[in-house]
Amino acid sequence: RKEVEQDPGPFNVPEGATVAFNCTYSNSASQSFFWYRQDCRKEPKLLMSVYSSGNEDGRFTAQLNRASQYISLLIRDSKLSDSATYLCVARRGGFKTIFGAGTRLFVKA
Amino acid sequence: EAGVTQFPSHSVIEKGQTVTLRCDPISGHDNLYWYRRVMGKEIKFLLHFVKESKQDESGMPNNRFLAERTGGTYSTLKVQPAELEDSGVYFCASSQGERFRTGELFFGEGSRLTVL
Repeated sequence: RKEVEQDPGPFNVPEGATVAFNCTYSNSASQSFFWYRQDCRKEPKLLMSVYSSGNEDGRFTAQLNRASQYISLLIRDSKLSDSATYLCVARRGGFKTIFGAGTRLFVKA
Repeated sequence: EAGVTQFPSHSVIEKGQTVTLRCDPISGHDNLYWYRRVMGKEIKFLLHFVKESKQDESGMPNNRFLAERTGGTYSTLKVQPAELEDSGVYFCASSQGERFRTGELFFGEGSRLTVL
């Protein structure tokens, strides 16, 4: 079993839609969590950190449920430019960072 | 400020040859990481340097891979001899020191390795 699991998608949504991605992690020692975004043939870039209390950054909302070892990302009012692969990331033991395989999102006009 | 730079961007070699990938982290970043993404798979951790010291090399696949970071600045990752399964994109990332526990990794654009 992979340490960080994500639905690979793809998710095909129209502009303006709301879309949610889920992620589970298996190692309870994981301490910090993040969502990264990766465009085709580009490097991953940090989208946002994920906190237990939930956090929002514009159209993006991230949530962490430690009891269920579950992380989510909600994107509201999807834009064409949101099309990318979204990587769920867990960090444990200092700086050991584990990536999920990513969820692909296509936003269509 | 310059980001993480990697060289070469793409390398095509034959099985059995040697390839050396280079990474220049963001200036002042003590932490340097190597990751690899094989087609269709997740990005996998290879190793982590803190300055010139290897903090964690648990992800290195085998002894054909050798990473160095002399002087705590740039790093090299050598694959010798290369095998077909080594093909993939090798990402380098850097982050600031322990007191900056934001967790953000700054990635280079990757070095795509194709072994024929």
